[in-house]
Amino acid sequence: KAGVTQTPRYLIKTRGQQVTLSCSPISGHRSVSWYQQTPGQGLQFLFEYFSETQRNKGNFPGRFSGRQFSNSRSEMNVSTLELGDSALYLCASSSQPGLNTGELFFGEGSRLTVL
Amino acid sequence: GESVGLHLPTLSVQEGDNSIINCAYSNSASDYFIWYKQESGKGPQFIIDIRSNMDKRQGQRVTVLLNKTVKHLSLQIAATQPGDSAVYFCADRGNTPLVFGKGTRLSVIA
Repeated sequence: KAGVTQTPRYLIKTRGQQVTLSCSPISGHRSVSWYQQTPGQGLQFLFEYFSETQRNKGNFPGRFSGRQFSNSRSEMNVSTLELGDSALYLCASSSQPGLNTGELFFGEGSRLTVL
Repeated sequence: GESVGLHLPTLSVQEGDNSIINCAYSNSASDYFIWYKQESGKGPQFIIDIRSNMDKRQGQRVTVLLNKTVKHLSLQIAATQPGDSAVYFCADRGNTPLVFGKGTRLSVIA
């Protein structure tokens, strides 16, 4: 079956702009998590959604937001972009949210460059 | 706060040798760990997992060892191949959200 699909794969924005990233989870998976990956900080958790509800949120400013739709697809938005937002944004899906619930399946990521 | 950390940021191994990547964790209540491999330009991929009721688990060419006494786990790759070159992460699945270590970059020398 198809894996986790993220779009766009690459994008370039300028400071002050906003960006929306999309994630389609594996068919049947209802939990979607978002991570930011940078060379200095590694993989940092952004949000987790399950059945259109945000279950967990990481320690990121309010400029970072997300949502999940009834078909489990998820989007994340970053407003008023800063240079430090340049990163690889990874989406992961699993059948269930929360602790000890098995493997997370990752997409290839959306690489955002902010100029 | 809780953390998961890898011991070495980089590891160079001769092709055909065995590789050992180590990881320490701080949450003594953690009971489920996953190792991920991330190749350049790709998302992390599942390699192997282990729960705290086990000390060792083997996969194809990979073995994970868990030492709960010292809160340490390791990933062993047998007969390392060029295709094993990647960044390896250990992750604490017993935490929500999932906590990742910073990663160890494995370079295989032909």
